[in-house]
Amino acid sequence: NAGVTQTPKFQVLKTGQSMTLQCAQDMNHNSMYWYRQDPGMGLRLIYYSASEGTTDKGEVPNGYNVSRLNKREFSLRLESAAPSQTSVYFCASSEYLGRGGAFFGQGTRLTVV
Amino acid sequence: GDSVTQMEGPVTLSEEAFLTINCTYTATGYPSLFWYVQYPGEGLQLLLKATKADDKGSNKGFEATYRKETTSFHLEKGSVQVSDSAVYFCALLQGAQKLVFGQGTRLTINP
Repeated sequence: NAGVTQTPKFQVLKTGQSMTLQCAQDMNHNSMYWYRQDPGMGLRLIYYSASEGTTDKGEVPNGYNVSRLNKREFSLRLESAAPSQTSVYFCASSEYLGRGGAFFGQGTRLTVV
Repeated sequence: GDSVTQMEGPVTLSEEAFLTINCTYTATGYPSLFWYVQYPGEGLQLLLKATKADDKGSNKGFEATYRKETTSFHLEKGSVQVSDSAVYFCALLQGAQKLVFGQGTRLTINP
């Protein structure tokens, strides 16, 4: 009963370093999402993938890239980390948002120093 | 663009008190509306939803009614418990793939 699994849970990066956040879901959902959560701002959509082989920008895509590796996996890459990217990152998946909503992972707390 | 506004937190109540967390939205048309809950150290979980005007969503004693006249979706619970302490997010569905979230309201229930 894993649901949505994110790795790592915590990460500290230096400015300019790169890293990839991994996400996998075992619910056979078509759609997957990456959000960032910042204090007082709720969650904001970074990128999403409506189906395997497609990706689209969300509200705050600058500084990020994504890869939908297969139906299960959706990764988020920071090519050159900046302090403004310090945040908590959540991956989510859904079959249809309007019916069942989104299922979220436990999050990755990223600090860029 | 579409947006969601929630009441400012944090909210602190005593156990068995009545809870209201206000949520209003701005959107084109009549989007589906949601409440999500985030317990400490966890991701968000869907609490309840409503897909059209006058619908009432309910779950775990929580209720919210979709009011198109006032563009609101306030969350209520008649008697809160310590275990309800969490952050609550109101959200709307923009198109088929985009959830637009409010800023979240932190709720603390004291025994």
